[in-house]
Amino acid sequence: GIQVEQSPPDLILQEGANSTLRCNFSDSVNNLQWFHQNPWGQLINLFYIPSGTKQNGRLSATTVATERYSLLYISSSQTTDSGVYFCAVENSGGSNYKLTFGKGTLLTVNP
Amino acid sequence: DADVTQTPRNRITKTGKRIMLECSQTKGHDRMYWYRQDPGLGLRLIYYSFDVKDINKGEISDGYSVSRQAQAKFSLSLESAIPNQTALYFCATSIKSVSGGDTEAFFGQGTRLTVV
Repeated sequence: GIQVEQSPPDLILQEGANSTLRCNFSDSVNNLQWFHQNPWGQLINLFYIPSGTKQNGRLSATTVATERYSLLYISSSQTTDSGVYFCAVENSGGSNYKLTFGKGTLLTVNP
Repeated sequence: DADVTQTPRNRITKTGKRIMLECSQTKGHDRMYWYRQDPGLGLRLIYYSFDVKDINKGEISDGYSVSRQAQAKFSLSLESAIPNQTALYFCATSIKSVSGGDTEAFFGQGTRLTVV
């Protein structure tokens, strides 16, 4: 099946810093989503971005489907940005119609 | 109110007991999913359903069963719970895209299950 690798696995920032999280995938996709899992375990939809670039406030994401990667940018980080960020993809060549998740990036933003 | 609602939110049960986790949605989506999250492993698919009469096994279905009672309801059962089923469980919904795959998936708040 499709492989999803996220980097870095852990990231510690000071409040106000910027960061870039990366998601590499091994096959073509027709669905890619970024999620934020907060400390209470809830999964929050950040972006549905199978291709192109989107922005939502301090967050933006870019997916280059032909090169099989996606980037999540967090600017002016805040302590509330802490948590795990997941990339999940649906393989366009497969028949499972399921999301395959990466193992996540654990982000800690210190005050 | 949440669009995808899971009950209970937390549950502690004993080994060998039967337990049901419930999921309901108000998004009108036809596709529903159950995922399991273990520390360090991300989320893995247990079962999925494309409509009321369509149930499919995911990658880790052993020890679980599901029921799609209505378009809006999808329940997950552990017939005889065991400690290694201790995990965070998520229900999700989506709709079919023009390409045949899924559009954006939406997740419930999660159910934290502990089997002792």
